[in-house]
Amino acid sequence: QVQLVQSGSELKKPGASVKVSCKASGYTFSNYAMNWVRQAPGQGLEWMGWINTNTGNPTYAQDFTGRFVFSLDTSVSTAYLQISSLKAEDTAVYYCATRYCSGGGCYLDSWGQGTLVTVSS
Amino acid sequence: QSVLTQPPSVSGAPGQRVTISCTGSSSNIGAGYVVHWYQQLPGTAPKLLIYGNSNRPSGVPDRFSGSKSGTSASLAITGLQAEDEADYYCLSYDSSLSGFWVFGGGTKLTVL
Repeated sequence: QVQLVQSGSELKKPGASVKVSCKASGYTFSNYAMNWVRQAPGQGLEWMGWINTNTGNPTYAQDFTGRFVFSLDTSVSTAYLQISSLKAEDTAVYYCATRYCSGGGCYLDSWGQGTLVTVSS
Repeated sequence: QSVLTQPPSVSGAPGQRVTISCTGSSSNIGAGYVVHWYQQLPGTAPKLLIYGNSNRPSGVPDRFSGSKSGTSASLAITGLQAEDEADYYCLSYDSSLSGFWVFGGGTKLTVL
C-alpha cells in the first residue's frame, strides 16, 4: 500500500535552512502529484503547494513563495521541501501528501507522518 | 482567516448526532467545486474521511456522511463515540487564489 515516510524532527536557528524529505513506496512515484501542508503549533492546516512528479514543476500557494522550494529525486522516489532564511514563525509540522483523482474529484489521499521543524535561537 | 469557515468547536454526548459546517463563497464551494473532509486525531496526520462531497473511502464507518448545498458543505457524525474526538477540516478548491486548494479553519469535536 501507499506509504510516505518523512525525515525526522529538526531544530534550526533563525536564518538557517532546512530540507525535509518524503520517501514514497508502494506505488509508482510519478503517478501522483506530491503536495505539502503546514500546521503551526495549535493551528489549522495550510496547503503550501504541490510538485508534478512527472515534470518536477512546482506550484506554490500565495503565502509560500520565495523561501520555499519543492524538489524531487525520482531515482529514490523522494520529494523534498527546502525552507531557507528560517524564521520563528516557520515553526510547524510539515506534511507531504499524495494527490489522488477519481470521480469524486482530486484530493489529498495518503499522508506522511509529519516532520516537526522548530526554529529557535 | 480561511476562506472556508468552520465553527471552532462542536460537542455532543456519546450516541448523539453532530454536524460540522464548512461555509464558503462563489469562488469555491458555490462555484461547484467538491468538498473533502479530514479527521485529525491528536498528534497524528490528517486522515481522509469524505471525498467528493459525500463519498466515504473504504474503512470509514457509515456513521460519517457528507453533503453540500449552495456555498456550504456539512459533515455529519451519528452515533457519536469517544474515539471521534478529533479535529475536522474541510478542503476545497478556490478559483480566486490563482487556482489553489484551501482548508477550512478546523473544528474541534469534543465528546462529552
